[in-house]
Amino acid sequence: GAVVSQHPSWVICKSGTSVKIECRSLDFQATTMFWYRQFPKQSLMLMATSNEGSKATYEQGVEKDKFLINHASLTLSTLTVTSAHPEDSSFYICSARGPGRRTVGTDTQYFGPGTRLTVL
Amino acid sequence: LAKTTQPISMDSYEGQEVNITCSHNNIATNDYITWYQQFPSQGPRFIIQGYKTKVTNEVASLFIPADRKSSTLSLPRVSLSDTAVYYCLVGEEGYSTLTFGKGTMLLVSP
Repeated sequence: GAVVSQHPSWVICKSGTSVKIECRSLDFQATTMFWYRQFPKQSLMLMATSNEGSKATYEQGVEKDKFLINHASLTLSTLTVTSAHPEDSSFYICSARGPGRRTVGTDTQYFGPGTRLTVL
Repeated sequence: LAKTTQPISMDSYEGQEVNITCSHNNIATNDYITWYQQFPSQGPRFIIQGYKTKVTNEVASLFIPADRKSSTLSLPRVSLSDTAVYYCLVGEEGYSTLTFGKGTMLLVSP
């Protein structure tokens, strides 16, 4: 249980184009999803928190108009990188947290497999 | 959010027990300690979570002293496939976000 999928697993695009990445919770409903970015040999950096039915909360320094997040249902959140540039090339990872997945005391985040974005 | 400090890297051999210690001096009363494992080009995978004393599951044990200012992830009899980055995170019960530190790169050799 607690499986999170991402699509696509990798994508190559030209500079200036937009790319959409999907994050789905397959066997549970996720009221909250998170989007992270990870550059080579670095740790994950939280980009934004996505709550179903409301606007996403972006971390400081993350451009909300460039990284559009939509959490239209309890099982799907999308991240759209608009007008992508080579510096946006990175590994994008989503995670999902939902009700009823309590382990010891907190709602554990379950991560997707990641999406490798390469902007030429 | 409590900041965590871990060793940058550790080396071990197959079959050995590995203990990775994480310092979190500013841990708050409501904070829980969670460990994740990440392989290259994959999303992190939940390993174990605890609040105090000892927690054990099928893959690891987590030891937390009474002052909770540190925690130790114990991996029994590691194998080559345990080579990965291990992250220690501290988060408050409820809907807090997770802040990933640099993690510990564990290299298991034959």
